[in-house]
Amino acid sequence: DTGVSQDPRHKITKRGQNVTFRCDPISEHNRLYWYRQTLGQGPEFLTYFQNEAQLEKSRLLSDRFSAERPKGSFSTLEIQRTEQGDSAMYLCASSPNSNQPQHFGDGTRLSIL
Amino acid sequence: AQSVTQPDIHITVSEGASLELRCNYSYGATPYLFWYVQSPGQGLQLLLKYFSGDTLVQGIKGFEAEFKRSQSSFNLRKPSVHWSDAAEYFCAVGPALGTYKYIFGTGTRLKVLA
Repeated sequence: DTGVSQDPRHKITKRGQNVTFRCDPISEHNRLYWYRQTLGQGPEFLTYFQNEAQLEKSRLLSDRFSAERPKGSFSTLEIQRTEQGDSAMYLCASSPNSNQPQHFGDGTRLSIL
Repeated sequence: AQSVTQPDIHITVSEGASLELRCNYSYGATPYLFWYVQSPGQGLQLLLKYFSGDTLVQGIKGFEAEFKRSQSSFNLRKPSVHWSDAAEYFCAVGPALGTYKYIFGTGTRLKVLA
């Protein structure tokens, strides 16, 4: 069990640029979640995958946000035309089934200049 | 709608003192409940979980929590706090009915005085 891995740990970019984050879940965990966490807040649910199927997306996810999990293993979260308000920590979590808790990665901190 | 409330934004305790962090939830059925801890710049680590059964659950690092259905609460406790417990603590419930969404509280930041 190597844990949930997220890359990069930090991303600094200019407003208007596109960014992509990667999450590698614990192997054999078929459930994968993305969250956004802003300062002083708890994680906010963004989206959920079961294997390669994206089964739920939050209304927080504007049309600038997209997530994929093409082979049911790693996942990517892309933000297009970044805005100041996108500055946050983006957390990925995985679990083996609905009766097990989520294991979190250390997150990707995004800073928009 | 389902929700989680952590009424205390900050709590300060002396090392060796007991600790209780409050969590109240709103949910239409018996929820799955969790407590996580987060150190600065890190992800969330699971302390304990309640799915069913015994309402007093034991977790890692000497923490425990009690599910009280009548009060819609799931408070976290520790009999003797260590300086290394200083961190942010999040209560969570989920999945929300009809969804796969987990809902987190806004967190309680714990400061430990030597």
